[in-house]
Amino acid sequence: EVQLLESGGGLVQPGGSLRLSCAASGFRFSGYAMSWVRQAPGKGLEWVSSVTDDGADTYYADSVKGRFTISRDNSKNTLYLQMNNLRAEDTAVYYCAKDRRVAPLYYFEYWGQGTLVTVSS
Amino acid sequence: QTVVTQESSLSVSPGGTVTLTCGLSSASVSTTSYPSWYRQTPGQAPRTLISSTNVRSSGVPDRFSGSILGNKAALTITGAQAEDESDYYCMMYMGSGIYVFGGGTKLTVL
Repeated sequence: EVQLLESGGGLVQPGGSLRLSCAASGFRFSGYAMSWVRQAPGKGLEWVSSVTDDGADTYYADSVKGRFTISRDNSKNTLYLQMNNLRAEDTAVYYCAKDRRVAPLYYFEYWGQGTLVTVSS
Repeated sequence: QTVVTQESSLSVSPGGTVTLTCGLSSASVSTTSYPSWYRQTPGQAPRTLISSTNVRSSGVPDRFSGSILGNKAALTITGAQAEDESDYYCMMYMGSGIYVFGGGTKLTVL
């Protein structure tokens, strides 16, 4: 059974930093791309960032480019999102997702339960 | 910047059929946009319904089907049930590693 368990969320002041983690199990983690998707309170889903299976390539939404860094440790089956210079508008539930990004598949196959990040003074 | 458009809300009667659509602000949707669909109920994580236009994910009932209708991607629910009342999101692959979600459709079954 595929399981994705996010952690690291919490309350942080504007301008602060936070690192999210996503522990994966139930599949060969090193064989798949992974992504982060967020959802602000009462709003829709927003793709944030993706990383290829080997970590060599990363992709970011314009809204987080230059502030967030996605990475992974395949030896620990764990995905990370380092978030710096946080803003109030980054307040959201952050989901990690198993990303099937190879033609003809480009979609999120499994989702974690999410971790809440609140940016407020 | 390309925007992915969805109806903000729709309603359907129990047992009825409803089609949700997903368009692009600057182009027609095709299979090479790899449209996918997700369902989310309040307080829960999204669940994947459809990938690559019309491929149902494991465990998804066959009353859910995906297609291209005209210049948009479509999700059709045939024989809607009360449990289908949810928010539905489409997503497109834009190339260069970028995904974009639509704003979501709130489906009411009444």
